[in-house]
Amino acid sequence: EAEVAQSPRYKITEKSQAVAFWCDPISGHATLYWYRQILGQGPELLVQFQDESVVDDSQLPKDRFSAERLKGVDSTLKIQPAELGDSAMYLCASRGAPSGANVLTFGAGSRLTVL
Amino acid sequence: AQKITQTQPGMFVQEKEAVTLDCTYDTSDQSYGLFWYKQPSSGEMIFLIYQGSYDEQNATEGRYSLNFQKARKSANLVISASQLGDSAMYFCAMREGKVLGSGGGADGLTFGKGTHLIIQP
Repeated sequence: EAEVAQSPRYKITEKSQAVAFWCDPISGHATLYWYRQILGQGPELLVQFQDESVVDDSQLPKDRFSAERLKGVDSTLKIQPAELGDSAMYLCASRGAPSGANVLTFGAGSRLTVL
Repeated sequence: AQKITQTQPGMFVQEKEAVTLDCTYDTSDQSYGLFWYKQPSSGEMIFLIYQGSYDEQNATEGRYSLNFQKARKSANLVISASQLGDSAMYFCAMREGKVLGSGGGADGLTFGKGTHLIIQP
């Protein structure tokens, strides 16, 4: 069964360090999302890509977060410098051509701990 | 105001009993979609069921059904014959303002805070 790949699964870093997360969506999925999920809360959208273009990054803290999807396939989310409040699960999701329910398929996530 | 409200932070249910997880939503759009996802302790979000705002019948997927009451803006998840493996976090989510199938614009899901369901033997 096709899946969304994410790495690393776990990352521990010290504050002020840089950290990066990688996502490879399901093959052929043009739309890719990055979500942040703080412990005990629901996921919150950070950024949405359509192919290589950013569709929505209104909730992305642009002073320290950046995201790219250069070739419209895999994507990288970067945090620099990391802060204690960035400790969370970072979830990537993808969706194929819009039809029916337009279901988002999520990866297993990358859990970040900032010390 | 919150767009998705899940009022049950946690629930304990006996195995084999049916369980209803509450979800209310807030939108002024006529076209929207409602989703339920399950998140086990491993962290992955697993899609369970979907209801479109124009769907006349309540959605069903195996043991999952969605009790959609449009006038009350509620979309409760019903799990029949609960199993130990159903223990997880459950999230209700909404997509607003898109004609389903159009695509191309901002259409990320808005999630509630979730309900932690524990099935007891």
